[in-house]
Amino acid sequence: NAGVTQTPKFQVLKTGQSMTLQCAQDMNHEYMSWYRQDPGMGLRLIHYSVGAGITDQGEVPNGYNVSRSTTEDFPLRLLSAAPSQTSVYFCASSYKWQLYTGELFFGEGSRLTVL
Amino acid sequence: QQPVQSPQAVILREGEDAVINCSSSKALYSVHWYRQKHGEAPVFLMILLKGGEQKGHEKISASFNEKKQQSSLYLTASQLSYSGTYFCGTEILISNFGNEKLTFGTGTRLTIIP
Repeated sequence: NAGVTQTPKFQVLKTGQSMTLQCAQDMNHEYMSWYRQDPGMGLRLIHYSVGAGITDQGEVPNGYNVSRSTTEDFPLRLLSAAPSQTSVYFCASSYKWQLYTGELFFGEGSRLTVL
Repeated sequence: QQPVQSPQAVILREGEDAVINCSSSKALYSVHWYRQKHGEAPVFLMILLKGGEQKGHEKISASFNEKKQQSSLYLTASQLSYSGTYFCGTEILISNFGNEKLTFGTGTRLTIIP
């Protein structure tokens, strides 16, 4: 099993450009989520999904869109990148949406720089 | 709301003990602990459920006081491999069915020196 796979690992954008961070898991996990990590801020939840076709907002959703058309994939879209979106992005999945039941499996992260 | 972790950073010599605290202003269903090494993804350590259960993982253990909404992570006889940033994640109590959001603290950076 590959686990949680994120692409790309590194990306540089100009302000106003759009892009999609890809996330795929092969563990048949019900729950998927996106976090961003900034120095001194910890991990902050952007969006999450409790199953195919179901998504919801986390703590910092502005400027990001998500969709979950399949159980395996959960892409994160930046519609018009801003320098404030410079961050490291982590995708994480879990077997069940009731998070007390098990751990989050994290991807390796995607480092995004917006100029 | 993010849980509050303390201390923000700690430096230990190999073999010394450390305690990392995590405190929430809201009632909690569970507390998760993760460790992240520089440039890597967070790695799961343990989950504690409401009920005050204490868990252990080698020389790393944790407790959860649900009345105080606090959890503590204990690292005994620390090893060089324990270095990294430790995060607590809190699952706020909304119902008896669990919660779909995990809110992380800002982390505690632990440095172990020989």
